[in-house]
Amino acid sequence: AQSVTQLGSHVSVSEGALVLLRCNYSSSVPPYLFWYVQYPNQGLQLLLKYTSAATLVKGINGFEAEFKKSETSFHLTKPSAHMSDAAEYFCAVHNFGNEKLTFGTGTRLTIIP
Amino acid sequence: SQTIHQWPATLVQPVGSPLSLECTVEGTSNPNLYWYRQAAGRGLQLLFYSVGIGQISSEVPQNLSASRPQDRQFILSSKKLLLSDSGFYLCAWKDPTNEKLFFGSGTQLSVL
Repeated sequence: AQSVTQLGSHVSVSEGALVLLRCNYSSSVPPYLFWYVQYPNQGLQLLLKYTSAATLVKGINGFEAEFKKSETSFHLTKPSAHMSDAAEYFCAVHNFGNEKLTFGTGTRLTIIP
Repeated sequence: SQTIHQWPATLVQPVGSPLSLECTVEGTSNPNLYWYRQAAGRGLQLLFYSVGIGQISSEVPQNLSASRPQDRQFILSSKKLLLSDSGFYLCAWKDPTNEKLFFGSGTQLSVL
């Protein structure tokens, strides 16, 4: 069965500092991997996705993630945090041919002025 | 372009009352449709998904049911709400050509 683990339910970074949100997956076959963001009182938005093409994926708002098969990881990064990045971030895994999208428990990102 | 509508945005219901949350999609045909729930302090949980009219798959046995009376309409229901049904409910549809999942704005349900 596929699963996703997000390390750190809360992460705080200073404005302008590097953002690193961790995600490790477990899957018996090469997965599709996603990062979603949920701003306060809004639905989820897709940040970026990996579907077996380039291992370094660039998304919206300056975020990117790198698929590392050897580490079964798909960590989300942004070089310089902005106040507007404060939100809840979800990593998700989806196996091709399966309708399930399994989400992690989420990481709440706080930006310190 | 495709859009997804979900309503209401917030709902407060007493224990034992019925529930009906509606979700509609525009601009696409035969989408895969999903209902997710996010309980406080926990991750998203898939409740139901549908690959076509009248076809419902349930992921978790519970107090809720889903129906798809039309191609682009997905309804989440309950005959009698429980306190544990409180949470944030998200409807979503998937574009089968690129595996992207698009979410509605969600419904915050409080059962009191």
